[in-house]
Amino acid sequence: DAGVIQSPRHEVTEMGQEVTLRCKPISGHDYLFWYRQTMMRGLELLIYFNNNVPIDDSGMPEDRFSAKMPNASFSTLKIQPSEPRDSAVYFCASSFGANSPLHFGNGTRLTVT
Amino acid sequence: DQQVKQNSPSLSVQEGRISILNCDYTNSMFDYFLWYKKYPAEGPTFLISISSIKDKNEDGRFTVFLNKSAKHLSLHIVPSQPGDSAVYFCAASGPDTGRRALTFGSGTRLQVQP
Repeated sequence: DAGVIQSPRHEVTEMGQEVTLRCKPISGHDYLFWYRQTMMRGLELLIYFNNNVPIDDSGMPEDRFSAKMPNASFSTLKIQPSEPRDSAVYFCASSFGANSPLHFGNGTRLTVT
Repeated sequence: DQQVKQNSPSLSVQEGRISILNCDYTNSMFDYFLWYKKYPAEGPTFLISISSIKDKNEDGRFTVFLNKSAKHLSLHIVPSQPGDSAVYFCAASGPDTGRRALTFGSGTRLQVQP
C-alpha cells in the first residue's frame, strides 16, 4: 500500500498564477478530503468527496478555489488566480467507509509570492 | 470560533514518564473523537479514537479518556519514548457537522527528552 500520494511536494508561484495540486488516494477508498494547514487557522477542511461526488465544499474559501475528482484514483485542487494568503500546506486524505480514520498524504507546501 | 481547542501549544516530558495531552470541545453534538500524530514534513497519522458511548479506549501505550460532561478529552502516553516526539492533534466530528468532516484542534507539540 503506497498510501495517499500528493504532488508536487513544494510549489512556489507568483501571485496571479494558476496552481494545481494533485492527489492519488489509497486504492479502494471511497472518501477523499482536501485540508489546508496554516499557522492562523490550523487544519481546516476545504472539501470532501464520496464516490467521486463532492459532498461538502463549504470550507472552500472563495471562488478562486475549485476541486475535481474525475475518477476514483485522482483528484485536483486548483487555485486561480493565486494570492499570497493562499500560502499554506495542503493535505489530501482518503478513507474507506463511514467510520474509518483518514489517511493523509504528506502534503503540498504552497508559497505564493 | 474554535470548536476544538488544545490550549497547550507544547509539552516536554522525560523518557519513561507519562505524557498527558488535553483537548476541549464546545460543540455538544460531537460524538466521535480522534487523536492524530504528525511528524515534520509528513501528513498526520491516525493514533486512536473514541466514541461518545465510551469514556476510555486503550491501545498499547496510548489511552484516550473522554469526559462528556466537561467536554474534555485527554491522551495519555505511558511510558513516553523519544520517538513519540511529534505534534498531536485532537479531532472531532458529529452528525450536525457531517460525520466525515473532522474539526481539528491547533495541536500540541510533545517533546520527550531522553
